[in-house]
Amino acid sequence: KAGVTQTPRYLIKTRGQQVTLSCSPISGHRSVSWYQQTPGQGLQFLFEYFSETQRNKGNFPGRFSGRQFSNSRSEMNVSTLELGDSALYLCASSSSGGQITDTQYFGPGTRLTVL
Amino acid sequence: DAKTTQPPSMDCAEGRAANLPCNHSTISGNEYVYWYRQIHSQGPQYIIHGLKNNETNEMASLIITEDRKSSTLILPHATLRDTAVYYCIVRVEVGGNTPLVFGKGTRLSVIA
Repeated sequence: KAGVTQTPRYLIKTRGQQVTLSCSPISGHRSVSWYQQTPGQGLQFLFEYFSETQRNKGNFPGRFSGRQFSNSRSEMNVSTLELGDSALYLCASSSSGGQITDTQYFGPGTRLTVL
Repeated sequence: DAKTTQPPSMDCAEGRAANLPCNHSTISGNEYVYWYRQIHSQGPQYIIHGLKNNETNEMASLIITEDRKSSTLILPHATLRDTAVYYCIVRVEVGGNTPLVFGKGTRLSVIA
């Protein structure tokens, strides 16, 4: 079974631009979570989607948004990019989500650099 | 904030067992202990999880103390490819949604 895939793997943008990242979960998985990893803050939870609905959200500004499609694929969007948004963005999928024993499997990440 | 405490770094000789400790003294009865690892700039890789019994899979063993206030991840025969940051996570139940809360982890260096 194929793992979680994320596209693109690398991205360079300039301040003020917006960016869209894509995540395809493991086949059959319906929950997709997004995380941001920076050297200063470590790995932080952004939001989680299940059945096209956002179920949980971390402490990030409204510039960070996401959505999920009927095939469980998910996108996240960051508008008005700031230098501090440079990070590794990770997507994780799980079969149903919301269960404490439901294991999340991570993709390879998208490395975003904001200049 | 993470509910776990881990040493920032550890070394292990190749071929020897790597024992990575984790303290989670405030863990609640229904919270699980999860371990992930992250090899440089890759996505975190799931290793193992457990509630109160010891667990073993093809990658590692998880030993949880009887009072559940600490645990140890054991890699039985460490190789150079096991060099990574290892994260111990207590999965907190929040209204049915359970995001992973990562701490700083332990940087394990396996030395030839």
